[in-house]
Amino acid sequence: AQKVTQAQTEISVVEKEDVTLDCVYETRDTTYYLFWYKQPPSGELVFLIRRNSFDEQNEISGRYSWNFQKSTSSFNFTITASQVVDSAVYFCALSDVQGGSEKLVFGKGTKLTVNP
Amino acid sequence: DSGVTQTPKHLITATGQRVTLRCSPRSGDLSVYWYQQSLDQGLQFLIQYYNGEERAKGNILERFSAQQFPDLHSELNLSSLELGDSALYFCASSGTGTSGKNTGELFFGEGSRLTVL
Repeated sequence: AQKVTQAQTEISVVEKEDVTLDCVYETRDTTYYLFWYKQPPSGELVFLIRRNSFDEQNEISGRYSWNFQKSTSSFNFTITASQVVDSAVYFCALSDVQGGSEKLVFGKGTKLTVNP
Repeated sequence: DSGVTQTPKHLITATGQRVTLRCSPRSGDLSVYWYQQSLDQGLQFLIQYYNGEERAKGNILERFSAQQFPDLHSELNLSSLELGDSALYFCASSGTGTSGKNTGELFFGEGSRLTVL
C-alpha cells in the first residue's frame, strides 16, 4: 500500500533561515506522482508542485526548491530565506492508482512556523 | 481560487443529526474526491466519483454516503453524527478529461468545517 511519512511534526525557524521539510514515501508502482500542498492558517489546501516518478531533476521555483531522490524514496522541500507568510502546514502526497482511481495519499503534514 | 466551491463553510450540529455537504468541481473536471481532515487522522480519503459513478472508496463510514449528479456537483451525506465526526471535509476535483486519466493535480475547495456537539 502507498504510504507517505513526514517525520517532522513541527518546525520553528526565524525569518530568513532556510528550512527543509522531509518526505519519504513507499510504493510498489513504477509510475507515480509526488506532490506538495500548503495549508495556511485559513485552511485551504494550495497546490505547490507535482513530480513524475521518471523525472528526477530538482526543481526550483523562486524561494522554493524540491529534491527528488528515487534511490532513497524521498521528495524533500526546501524554503530558502523563509518569511512569516510561509507559516503553514505542508503536506507531501503520493498518487495511488489502484482500482482505476488516482487518489492521493497524504502524509501527516509538517507545521512550519516562521517567526519574525 | 481553485475553482472548487464547497458549501457550507461552517456547520454546527448535534449528535445523531444528519447533514449534507455540497461541492461544485472546477468547470470541466469529471472527478470529485472527498477527504476528511481531523486532528488525529490527518487527511483521509473518503470516496471518489468520476462522471457520476463511484470510482474508489477509502475510509468512509457506512453512516456516510455520497453521490455525483449529472451536472457533476457532488454531495456528501453524513448521518447519525457522532462527536468524532467533527472535522474539516474537503472536496477536490481533477482534470481527468475523456481518457479518465488524472492529470495529476487535485484542486481543493476551501473545506466545510463540521462541528458536532
